[in-house]
Amino acid sequence: KNEVEQSPQNLTAQEGEFITINCSYSVGISALHWLQQHPGGGIVSLFMLSSGKKKHGRLIATINIQEKHSSLHITASHPRDSAVYICAVRLNTRSKLTFGTGTRLTIIP
Amino acid sequence: GAGVSQTPSNKVTEKGKYVELRCDPISGHTALYWYRQSLGQGPEFLIYFQGTGAADDSGLPNDRFFAVRPEGSVSTLKIQRTERGDSAVYLCASGEGRDTEAFFGQGTRLTVV
Repeated sequence: KNEVEQSPQNLTAQEGEFITINCSYSVGISALHWLQQHPGGGIVSLFMLSSGKKKHGRLIATINIQEKHSSLHITASHPRDSAVYICAVRLNTRSKLTFGTGTRLTIIP
Repeated sequence: GAGVSQTPSNKVTEKGKYVELRCDPISGHTALYWYRQSLGQGPEFLIYFQGTGAADDSGLPNDRFFAVRPEGSVSTLKIQRTERGDSAVYLCASGEGRDTEAFFGQGTRLTVV
């Protein structure tokens, strides 16, 4: 079992829909990152969380430490949001990030 | 520069050859990470530098892989006797410290033929 699980693996939605991507992890962490990767592109850091909730524009990220779960929400989705969204955690005892396999999001106009 | 820069962006090499991949982190960032991403997979950790020293190299798959950061800024990932299975996107990230936000480069796509 992977230490970081994401769902769904693939998500297709109509423009304007509210999007939720989930991330669950199985070990203690010091921080959780949400990252965005466009095809052929590098990775962009969206959020780093250790508790609570963060908002940036149409993106919202929440984390529940007790339940070892985080969600990334996109409001009023747009085709330019189409990308792979990756959840990554920094374990309490390690410096590296451990990544989920990503959620491929496609927003149809 | 403003972001993490990786060169080359693409590298095609023959099996058995030696390659070097370069990462220029954001100025002042002491933490530097190398990750490898195979097609359809999430990135996998290779090595972490804090300053000039490799604080964690547990992700290097074997002794053909080596990385240096001699002056605490630019890092070079070196792969000897490349194999087709080494083909992947090699990502570099830097941060202000160990538990801070990581900023990623665009990656180097390595293809071993």
